[in-house]
Amino acid sequence: DTEVTQTPKHLVMGMTNKKSLKCEQHMGHRAMYWYKQKAKKPPELMFVYSYEKLSINESVPSRFSPECPNSSLLNLHLHALQPEDSALYLCASSQRLAGFKDTQYFGPGTRLTVL
Amino acid sequence: GDSVTQMEGPVTLSEEAFLTINCTYTATGYPSLFWYVQYPGEGLQLLLKATKADDKGSNKGFEATYRKETTSFHLEKGSVQVSDSAVYFCALSSGPDKLIFGTGTRLQVFP
Repeated sequence: DTEVTQTPKHLVMGMTNKKSLKCEQHMGHRAMYWYKQKAKKPPELMFVYSYEKLSINESVPSRFSPECPNSSLLNLHLHALQPEDSALYLCASSQRLAGFKDTQYFGPGTRLTVL
Repeated sequence: GDSVTQMEGPVTLSEEAFLTINCTYTATGYPSLFWYVQYPGEGLQLLLKATKADDKGSNKGFEATYRKETTSFHLEKGSVQVSDSAVYFCALSSGPDKLIFGTGTRLQVFP
């Protein structure tokens, strides 16, 4: 089983709203990732959690706030977003193998629209 | 730095045609290589992977061979179906957390 689940599937929010995206995996993976994907582009890495600790933040604006409550869950809290933040947000997870051998498995994504 | 170059799309084929999507890479060390597929309105699915030179990854009739001498990982399928229409991303693992993607190649298959 290589399933990563994400909720909600679609989200529409205003620029003053606060919302959260949720990601879950039950594969025992110890690394989890948030990506942002704009139309007709490859995914761009935002954050990486390794053993529930934030290990990479790719200079993401503070209006995006990640949280890893436990090894199976990853949240992305959204506040005061801009219309240009509208995109597909993808979660991924991996075993956290050493070196270059890790494989990332992606969820179905949350389609976010900011009005 | 490390990078992945894919052929420009869209690639347009008739059903049962042979498919090749070219992918070349630049990397230090010995990266793992991946093909991901993204169907319309969905997330990325791992299609196949190879972790060392001369490895062949295969899945659902798709194949790709890790060629270190030509730094390539071309995706092939002998007979495409309409249901294969999607965007295909070549990627390399540049360290434990860094996945470097190509720009993606859109495949359109017509009956």
